[in-house]
Amino acid sequence: QQQVKQSPQSLIVQKGGIPIINCAYENTAFDYFPWYQQFPGKGPALLIAIRPDVSEKKEGRFTISFNKSAKQFSLHIMDSQPGDSATYFCAASKRGTYKYIFGTGTRLKVLA
Amino acid sequence: DTGVSQDPRHKITKRGQNVTFRCDPISEHNRLYWYRQTLGQGPEFLTYFQNEAQLEKSRLLSDRFSAERPKGSFSTLEIQRTEQGDSAMYLCASTSDTSNQPQHFGDGTRLSIL
Repeated sequence: QQQVKQSPQSLIVQKGGIPIINCAYENTAFDYFPWYQQFPGKGPALLIAIRPDVSEKKEGRFTISFNKSAKQFSLHIMDSQPGDSATYFCAASKRGTYKYIFGTGTRLKVLA
Repeated sequence: DTGVSQDPRHKITKRGQNVTFRCDPISEHNRLYWYRQTLGQGPEFLTYFQNEAQLEKSRLLSDRFSAERPKGSFSTLEIQRTEQGDSAMYLCASTSDTSNQPQHFGDGTRLSIL
């Protein structure tokens, strides 16, 4: 119940494509869902986050879609660029604990 | 706001030695977290502090691990009698004491056990 399942494990798209990364959870007590981007040798950097009372959130080229009934959420990267090549992690936390449960990560490569 | 700072960035040590890592959170962030990340995996929660109080510890934190945040500012994570399985990236994050604020991560300390 504490797991967050992330897919795919890796993804290759052409420049300008729209990679989509999916996450699923079981614990309905989760109420905050951030996405992080991580480059080699660096710590995770927050991209965008959503709460379950919202079905979609956009920040720049990044969009989160949230399906509360299916307990799934996804990250879309519009007009992807080679500089977006990184590992992406979804996470979830529940009120009162504030620790994050992370997915296993998706390694994205955007071809020039 | 200079971000979360971790020191050292890399640590190589022999099995059985003790190591200590330091984390300086973003100023005025009173929640501080430690995570461990192994290759190809997401970060795993180890422990967290609110001010100087350690409020939760993961089962991953064996009795060889100890964390402190003595004045509610910087924190240290010590590993005693290191083992091969301790090789990982140790990440620190901080956030303000408000419901569901995003955690801001440092660049971690990479520990290699010879």
